[in-house]
Amino acid sequence: GAVVSQHPSWVICKSGTSVKIECRSLDFQATTMFWYRQFPKQSLMLMATSNEGSKATYEQGVEKDKFLINHASLTLSTLTVTSAHPEDSSFYICSARLTRNTEAFFGQGTRLTVV
Amino acid sequence: GESVGLHLPTLSVQEGDNSIINCAYSNSASDYFIWYKQESGKGPQFIIDIRSNMDKRQGQRVTVLLNKTVKHLSLQIAATQPGDSAVYFCAENNYGQNFVFGPGTRLSVLP
Repeated sequence: GAVVSQHPSWVICKSGTSVKIECRSLDFQATTMFWYRQFPKQSLMLMATSNEGSKATYEQGVEKDKFLINHASLTLSTLTVTSAHPEDSSFYICSARLTRNTEAFFGQGTRLTVV
Repeated sequence: GESVGLHLPTLSVQEGDNSIINCAYSNSASDYFIWYKQESGKGPQFIIDIRSNMDKRQGQRVTVLLNKTVKHLSLQIAATQPGDSAVYFCAENNYGQNFVFGPGTRLSVLP
């Protein structure tokens, strides 16, 4: 199947700093990528849908100025957590789709810990 | 057996037995469904999918059943192995929109 690579796999940062997470589709072009957040023992919650060349669509309750998403190419989307706080500590996962009606492939996730 | 509480529902099965994981989906207009397996600290891994024009699909050791009348999806795993221990999520999709994930079920395989 298609491969989605996410980097870094884990990061620890100080409160108030910003962290960038990259999501790459390695062997296909992804018009749309999705960013999820997952707290321990919970399901994946969609944060935003990222479309190449346009602004991301954020889910209700997700602050777009805090979670900056850039989808500059068909193979790369980035999520920047700005002015991170301990409550932002979570597992962030990206996914990408080949077409509108096919399976979504997931990255390996990024464990963010804000101290 | 199954237990539901503040944590993920857990299904415990004996190695070699068959497992059945259930999922109730919310949107009657959803037309595409996927089961994902997630191991600790990793992203979800595709297991099997099914479209709404089908009610059953089989893969290697796995079968997905879809009952649109009651909006129910199930994943059957034959001859469950220790490597099957993980959290399983169903995901529903509506005409190419984003996937909505169910709450997940933790499968624990007992030796």
